[in-house]
Amino acid sequence: SYELTQPPSVSVSPGQTASITCSGDKLGDKYACWYQQKPGQSPVLVIYQDTKRPSGIPERFSGSNSGNTATLTISGTQAMDEADYFCQAWDSSNVVFGGGTKLTVL
Amino acid sequence: QITLKESGPTLVKPTQTLTLTCTFSGFSVSTSGVGVGWIRQPPGKALEWLALIYWDDDRRYSPSLKSRLTITKDTSRNQVVLTMTNMDPVDTATYYCAHRHGYSYGSRDGYFDHWGQGTLVTVSS
Repeated sequence: SYELTQPPSVSVSPGQTASITCSGDKLGDKYACWYQQKPGQSPVLVIYQDTKRPSGIPERFSGSNSGNTATLTISGTQAMDEADYFCQAWDSSNVVFGGGTKLTVL
Repeated sequence: QITLKESGPTLVKPTQTLTLTCTFSGFSVSTSGVGVGWIRQPPGKALEWLALIYWDDDRRYSPSLKSRLTITKDTSRNQVVLTMTNMDPVDTATYYCAHRHGYSYGSRDGYFDHWGQGTLVTVSS
């Protein structure tokens, strides 16, 4: 079965750039999207179709996808960005989620 | 405005069948291109996709859970129902339903752009 691999944790200082990766076989040939989840809340879509931001998502969130890796980048990271982040793609007709990355802003 | 809300039992016993209902507004599941999915998340763990139903009644299931899952839709009530048989304590999780938006018209891919609040289901005797 298809797997998406994320680092368990990433740390970043306020105002710096955070990068969270998501790796999968030929992931660049598929579309990737990203969800942010804060404690006790439902996931929120922050990036879809590799690079697009839904309405209401700050411009500091951006995405890329090439080769075997999709990347979520948060520029000028703020304390409010501390959360779990999950990538998602499709394998044939099946939805696949990554294992999630806990972003710590310290 | 799209909203979704999950409902069902908070506690089930091992071997029982779980039935969850997703009641939504702001869209119709009979509209071409629409899909509604179920995703779960054990406490402190990752999201896991369970099932998806499309506007044309096409149904897709997680390969690892396919034998235990059934997803149906009731267009008139704006509801999607998930049943999971033979529940086990490892199935303890928050269960979410979500609206799927396709990457292109009529496509069978996409992203979940609206999520319900989730419902915690505990499996215990």
